[in-house]
Order: sequence, then C-alpha cells, then structure tokens
Amino acid sequence: EIVMTQSPATLSVSPGERATLSCRASQSVSSNLAWYQQKPGQAPRLLIYGAFIRATGIPARFRGSGSGTEFTLTISGLQSEDFAVYYCQQYNNWSFTFGQGTKLEIK
Amino acid sequence: QITLQESGPTLVKPTQTLTLTCTFSGFSLSASGVAVGWIRQPPGKALECLALIYWNGDKHYSPSLKSRLTITKDTSTNQVVLTMTNVDPLDTATYYCARGPIFDFWGQGTLVTVPS
Repeated sequence: EIVMTQSPATLSVSPGERATLSCRASQSVSSNLAWYQQKPGQAPRLLIYGAFIRATGIPARFRGSGSGTEFTLTISGLQSEDFAVYYCQQYNNWSFTFGQGTKLEIK
Repeated sequence: QITLQESGPTLVKPTQTLTLTCTFSGFSLSASGVAVGWIRQPPGKALECLALIYWNGDKHYSPSLKSRLTITKDTSTNQVVLTMTNVDPLDTATYYCARGPIFDFWGQGTLVTVPS
C-alpha cells in the first residue's frame, strides 16, 4: 500500500500571504495525485487532480505541482475561506490512499 | 446536477452488520470509466478509502478491511450499497460516498456510531 505523508501537520499563515503544503508518496504515483479541501462539518471538496489540474470552479490561486513522489499545493493570496484542512490522495494504485492532512490556520 | 446521498443507521451495536446505501443522480454508473467509492473518516482523523466499484463491475476493497466489506451496485435504481460485517467501536466514523475514480462529487456523509 502506498503511504502518503503530508507536511507540515499545521501551517499558520496570515491572510493575503502564500501557503505551501507538501505531500510525499512512498513510491511513484506518476501524476495521479489529487488535493482536497475540507472544512468542519463538511465533505471534502476536490481542488486539484492530475497533480496540477484545477477542478471546476476552483480559483487560480490554488496551484498544484510535482510528479512521481513529491507534490506541492500552493495557495496564493490567502483568503478567509481558505483556512481549512487539506488532504492529498493518490489514485495511481488501489487503495487510493490519503495523507493525514495539513491544517491551514490563521496566523 | 450531480448529487450523492448516504443513508443508513446512525447507531450499530458491536458485532452487527452495517449496511449503507448511496443514492446518486446526475450521472450513470453504466458509463465507461465511472466509479462510486466509499470513504470514511473517524472523528478528528483522516480519510480512508474503503471500497470502490466501477461501471463494469470491477470492485476494490481496503486490504485491511477486505474480509468484512462488500460493495454492490444497482444501475436501475442508481444506488451503491456497502455492507460491513462484525462492526467494532473503531468503525465509528462519518461514511461518505463519492463519484470516482477521482472523487469529484461527494455526499454530505453519515455519522455511524458503534458504542463500546
């Protein structure tokens, strides 16, 4: 089973600044990597798939990059609604594992 | 408009069988490439993929739960059913269904509690 490791566990950033979230796979997942945003009491929302393709309706301030085993989600010009928990997920090999999440909090 | 809705019991006693139903609309599970999956999230913890069923009937299960899970589909009623046998308090979680294999649309989730 592919293990997904996210860092940091918690990231404190001020509104308007940039946040950089990392995700590492225990073996190559090619570009079969997705990022989700989850707010309290809500289902996850797909942000990025194919490592860098924004899902429908996702603002351009969300940018995904990387391939193989190293991936990054960059959120520029943080807005109040962006503070949430972010998960990466590989769908290269079943069982489509998720990382443990990064909590993005207001500094 | 694509929607998914989970339904099932909110409380299940240990050793019993949990049956969850995902009723969806706005897409067809007969269409090539489409899948529906079940994902769970224990309170305050991360997401875990449990099972996935494809349009052609292919099924995948979490390796650690494979012996306890069964996923089925009914394309005539647009439903996917997940059964989990011999539940334990560690199975307490919010259970989501989502359209796959890239989970682009999710249900709102249903909290299932297994008391100790």
